[in-house]
Amino acid sequence: ETGVTQTPRHLVMGMTNKKSLKCEQHLGHNAMYWYKQSAKKPLELMFVYNFKEQTENNSVPSRFSPECPNSSHLFLHLHTLQPEDSALYLCASSQDFGDNEQFFGPGTRLTVL
Amino acid sequence: GENVEQHPSTLSVQEGDSAVIKCTYSDSASNYFPWYKQELGKRPQLIIDIRSNVGEKKDQRIAVTLNKTAKHFSLHITETQPEDSAVYFCAASILSGGGADGLTFGKGTHLIIQP
Repeated sequence: ETGVTQTPRHLVMGMTNKKSLKCEQHLGHNAMYWYKQSAKKPLELMFVYNFKEQTENNSVPSRFSPECPNSSHLFLHLHTLQPEDSALYLCASSQDFGDNEQFFGPGTRLTVL
Repeated sequence: GENVEQHPSTLSVQEGDSAVIKCTYSDSASNYFPWYKQELGKRPQLIIDIRSNVGEKKDQRIAVTLNKTAKHFSLHITETQPEDSAVYFCAASILSGGGADGLTFGKGTHLIIQP
């Protein structure tokens, strides 16, 4: 148990749907991350929040919209996705931005039809 | 599920010496083993990876070895330089036609290169 939870674990959506991924960490960390993992590609960092402030947007399309209402919760809002957005989306947290250890959640397996 | 152990948690070496970081994994079905480097304040970046159909892979000063029988893989950095100072993460995963089942990361090794 890493202390980072993600819901849902699996999500299937159409290209016109709007859905949200949720991440919650119970570790008292200050930094949270969204990663995307696709087949045959390295882990891709999407967004970084440090003390609720977004510090990095790794050239992510606007159809992905993050939200960090507090340092324990992180959302990823999805709308008008494309089939190539199907992937595993991982959330992670660390004590501080750039800290040694990142704790990852179990991920949400997203399939876009 | 998969469990990846990484050692040591901190490694200090003199500049120019070699550094070795070791990882073990528990799931014999794992077939993909990447290594990530994370510099202070920066995102993790993939530096090298290996698949289970090979035993060794090199890229300039970096090499990774894999022992499937022992479920063990290692990162080797030769002729270390100050810019090698960072945290290194190993990971294991099962890659299939439908995509990765998710990376299980080690907890990281803080590599310090002493001038």
